[in-house]
Amino acid sequence: KAGVTQTPRYLIKTRGQQVTLSCSPISGHRSVSWYQQTPGQGLQFLFEYFSETQRNKGNFPGRFSGRQFSNSRSEMNVSTLELGDSALYLCASRRTDRNTEAFFGQGTRLTVV
Amino acid sequence: AQSVTQLGSHVSVSEGALVLLRCNYSSSVPPYLFWYVQYPNQGLQLLLKYTTGATLVKGINGFEAEFKKSETSFHLTKPSAHMSDAAEYFCAVRGRSGAGSYQLTFGKGTKLSVIP
Repeated sequence: KAGVTQTPRYLIKTRGQQVTLSCSPISGHRSVSWYQQTPGQGLQFLFEYFSETQRNKGNFPGRFSGRQFSNSRSEMNVSTLELGDSALYLCASRRTDRNTEAFFGQGTRLTVV
Repeated sequence: AQSVTQLGSHVSVSEGALVLLRCNYSSSVPPYLFWYVQYPNQGLQLLLKYTTGATLVKGINGFEAEFKKSETSFHLTKPSAHMSDAAEYFCAVRGRSGAGSYQLTFGKGTKLSVIP
């Protein structure tokens, strides 16, 4: 059974550009959450999607957005990139919104230069 | 609101020695608690979780943790450290915002070094 797949694994972007990251959850899982990991702030919750609806959003500016498709795949977008957006972005999936366990992907390492 | 405090950003132990990683939490509702491990350039792997029931929870790779409500603690232990245990460990508490939604609040992490 395939795990959570995040693409790409590594990405380098220039300040002011925008970026789209992709997450394919485990087959049959309908909930996808996104987290940002930085050395200074640690792991911070970005948002969660379930059945194509955003259920919850963390304390991030509007430049951070996401969506979920009917096949449960999710994308997150960051517009007008800043140097501080450099981070490891992790995606996690759950089977339903009642499950307590989330499975994480390997992450996308975004570097903004 | 929930919060997690991990005492010690870096812990070093000798191979074969006891591993103890400390985690204290704050939660306004009964918590679900988790320990995750992260190896370099990897995602998070669940070690163990406490939801309800038995307060001593056993996980993978010989790790266990005990939920102590009176101390608001969920410390992670392993009787004998192995070189392969060197990694970063995160304690997390599940918050609840809205019906069915799910948000993990993580501690800052503890890097475990194992000395041969």
